[in-house]
Amino acid sequence: DARVTQTPRHKVTEMGQEVTMRCQPILGHNTVFWYRQTMMQGLELLAYFRNRAPLDDSGMPKDRFSAEMPDATLATLKIQPSEPRDSAVYFCASGLVYGYEQYFGPGTRLTVT
Amino acid sequence: ILNVEQSPQSLHVQEGDSTNFTCSFPSSNFYALHWYRWETAKSPEALFVMTLNGDEKKKGRISATLNTKEGYSYLYIKGSQPEDSATYLCAFSGTSYGKLTFGQGTILTVHP
Repeated sequence: DARVTQTPRHKVTEMGQEVTMRCQPILGHNTVFWYRQTMMQGLELLAYFRNRAPLDDSGMPKDRFSAEMPDATLATLKIQPSEPRDSAVYFCASGLVYGYEQYFGPGTRLTVT
Repeated sequence: ILNVEQSPQSLHVQEGDSTNFTCSFPSSNFYALHWYRWETAKSPEALFVMTLNGDEKKKGRISATLNTKEGYSYLYIKGSQPEDSATYLCAFSGTSYGKLTFGQGTILTVHP
């Protein structure tokens, strides 16, 4: 049963600390998406990759957020330095180019105090 | 900025009732319309993806229709059950690359 995995599932950190979230897409999927869920904005796209290349990161605060895919089995989202307003659930999803469904991971719940 | 609007925001129904929600989206540059089901403390799960005007999809008691010319989609649930309680999200794609813009969702609560 193929699924997207994310680590950690929960993260509590202090303001100013670096946070790294990891995602393992479904094997064979070549698009990866990072979303953030907040009460105010709902589910918003932060960045997405196709064949490991970033296609769009316009939804991401560039000064503190960065997203990479060092290889086809790992996507990372990094926040440095973290701020309380970054507290949210971060979802990773994967899919196929020119495909349709996106398969979501379980999310990382981040709390920045 | 793409506007994807869902209504109602929330809905309470009794077990056995049939219900429907609406998703409105831009009618230009349409590629696909997605419906997701999102249970509390879980991750969104794809229900349907529709790409053609007039598309109708069905999965068990849940069905969806699509009108791309006027920019709306309906999701129907027949004979609601408590396990149908969830947030139902629609998402619009205007490109083939899979970039989605989500609506705020309709929160459905089915009371036994």
